[in-house]
Amino acid sequence: DIVLTQSPGTLSLSPRERATLSCRASQSVGSSYLAWYQQKPGQAPRLLIYGASSRATGIPDRFSGSGSGTDFTLTISRLEPEDFAVYYCQQYGSSPTFGGGTKVEIK
Amino acid sequence: QVQLQESGPGLVKPSETLSLTCTVSGGSISSYYWSWIRQPPGKGLEWIGYIYYSGSTNYNPSLKSRVTISIDTSKNQFSLKLSSVTAADTAVYYCARLKGGYCSVGFCYSFDYWGQGTLVTVSS
Repeated sequence: DIVLTQSPGTLSLSPRERATLSCRASQSVGSSYLAWYQQKPGQAPRLLIYGASSRATGIPDRFSGSGSGTDFTLTISRLEPEDFAVYYCQQYGSSPTFGGGTKVEIK
Repeated sequence: QVQLQESGPGLVKPSETLSLTCTVSGGSISSYYWSWIRQPPGKGLEWIGYIYYSGSTNYNPSLKSRVTISIDTSKNQFSLKLSSVTAADTAVYYCARLKGGYCSVGFCYSFDYWGQGTLVTVSS
């Protein structure tokens, strides 16, 4: 199985700051197979980014994804109050896996 | 708008079989993959398996010996059975649609619609 390692585990930032979240894979992942999700307490995950860099329907353009191979990044250009949440990366291979998550908390 | 809703017992005894159903509304169950994903309390997400509308399946190797996913296209439902459960199977169980489609970098897959999740506790 491909292991996804997300860093940092927790990111403490203020509203309007820029957030940069990392997802590193144990082996190369096709860009088309990498997605990012946002999860708020008590809610199901919500798809943000698919194909490493394509925003899902209705996702604001302050969210962007980049990367290839084993290193992928989710960037939130200016944090809004509703963006404080846990973010997961996920790869679709023969056996889909999720990263351990990065919590973005208010500083 | 596609909606998914999980249903089933919230409490299962150790060594018994966990059974959940996901009902899909607002769209057809045909032409997509349908998945189960779980999340132990306070922990991350674990993919359990998926089924294509035709009935073909793919399971997480770590759970494969205990998992069965089935589909009933006439009812727009798919189901999960997990046998020989232990306390380690206590989790929120989500059903989700696995969508495949062309994107800027090729053919992309992602879980685009999710149910609200249902907590299943394994305890005597």
